[in-house]
Amino acid sequence: KNQVEQSPQSLIILEGKNCTLQCNYTVSPFSNLRWYKQDTGRGPVSLTIMTFSENTKSNGRYTATLDADTKQSSLHITASQLSDSASYICVVSATDSSYKLIFGSGTRLLVRP
Amino acid sequence: EAQVTQNPRYLITVTGKKLTVTCSQNMNHEYMSWYRQDPGLGLRQIYYSMNVEVTDKGDVPEGYKVSRKEKRNFPLILESPSPNQTSLYFCASRSLSYEQYFGPGTRLTVT
Repeated sequence: KNQVEQSPQSLIILEGKNCTLQCNYTVSPFSNLRWYKQDTGRGPVSLTIMTFSENTKSNGRYTATLDADTKQSSLHITASQLSDSASYICVVSATDSSYKLIFGSGTRLLVRP
Repeated sequence: EAQVTQNPRYLITVTGKKLTVTCSQNMNHEYMSWYRQDPGLGLRQIYYSMNVEVTDKGDVPEGYKVSRKEKRNFPLILESPSPNQTSLYFCASRSLSYEQYFGPGTRLTVT
């Protein structure tokens, strides 16, 4: 069964600190993996998208990594800011159903001053 | 500005009263979809459409209908809403490069 699991479920960090969010997936055959940021009550916004051949991609202070062998991805946030407080969602799509995305349940991040 | 719009943003209704949530995109995307988001469950796909007049069920289609008469619009219809359809709904459209754009969400409460 295609699944995407994220950890931790929630995380609290102090402003300025770094953090890493994890995503494990069992989607096969793999097409691409995306990380989204979702502010409370708003629609998700894309941060990064990686295909099988990519193992790292950055978007400002956000850096995503992908290990297609172990089926793991991480999202690293550097020098966190209060505006980073949001849910971060890992989404994987399979090549045999490229119209369908499999969503993780997200990690809720709270950055405190 | 490229965007996906939804209306209404908030809706409180009663069981059995038909309602429609509109969705419109201005990016000329062929692919559009509807999701619901519930606490602890993540986003689940309700219906999707690959083009005008082409729609198909997602993971949780029961109790919902959609139509795609024009490329830009993809309304979600609840013929007889029930309390278990209380949720946060998102419309999305997808570009040829598989980038997905979400609308701002519609918070629906069915009493």
